[in-house]
Amino acid sequence: QSVLTQPPSVSAAPGQKVTISCSGSSSNIGNNDVSWYQHLPGTAPKLLIYDSNKRPSGIPDRFSGSKSGTSATLGITGLQTGDEADYYCGTWDNSLSAGVFGGGTKLTVL
Amino acid sequence: EVQLLESGGGSVQPGGSLRLSCVASGFTFDTYAMNWVRQAPGKGLEWVSGISGTGNSAYYADSVKGRFTISRDNSKKTLYLQMNSLRVEDTAVYYCAKEGSISWNYYFDYWGQGTLVTVSS
Repeated sequence: QSVLTQPPSVSAAPGQKVTISCSGSSSNIGNNDVSWYQHLPGTAPKLLIYDSNKRPSGIPDRFSGSKSGTSATLGITGLQTGDEADYYCGTWDNSLSAGVFGGGTKLTVL
Repeated sequence: EVQLLESGGGSVQPGGSLRLSCVASGFTFDTYAMNWVRQAPGKGLEWVSGISGTGNSAYYADSVKGRFTISRDNSKKTLYLQMNSLRVEDTAVYYCAKEGSISWNYYFDYWGQGTLVTVSS
């Protein structure tokens, strides 16, 4: 059972928007920034969002991040079939003194 | 160009040991914390361990504490993970991941391709 809670799956049609939630607590999301990763099977995970809402260079503005209290959200607009992947949130947990990830969310673009 | 190249994975019996290595290039290695993240078959990502740029601070997931040791040789630009007392549940692809900021903000901007560790009798 992961410290951070994500929905196991989400789906939407091409061109639509989807959001993926990540719920934590005051020991992690409540007091630390969140990062988001896209992971395709057999490849290295890819950083999409860091510091809760910043995009690395090369990541399109279709991807966005936000944080409020002990929850964070990844938004993806203009969905493409190439966006089908597993998405993970991550942060530091002050109580555990350890990094933590969400359980992952599988995105299906119908 | 930043590159991270892991090696050292393989098959081992329960109770055995392995040492993973990750050779880095394309950035000032000793400036950044480094981490190991794993993914067991059919499971999600799990942070395993992290070490500061100087090597003076290290942190571990509870699942590996006391069995795994992270270290680095900045002169060789290499990160290590010594894994002892391996268990079946340690079977996973192990990724080396670079911290994205000079201050340890816990996000990973570059990842290696991973090395597979299989623990089985």
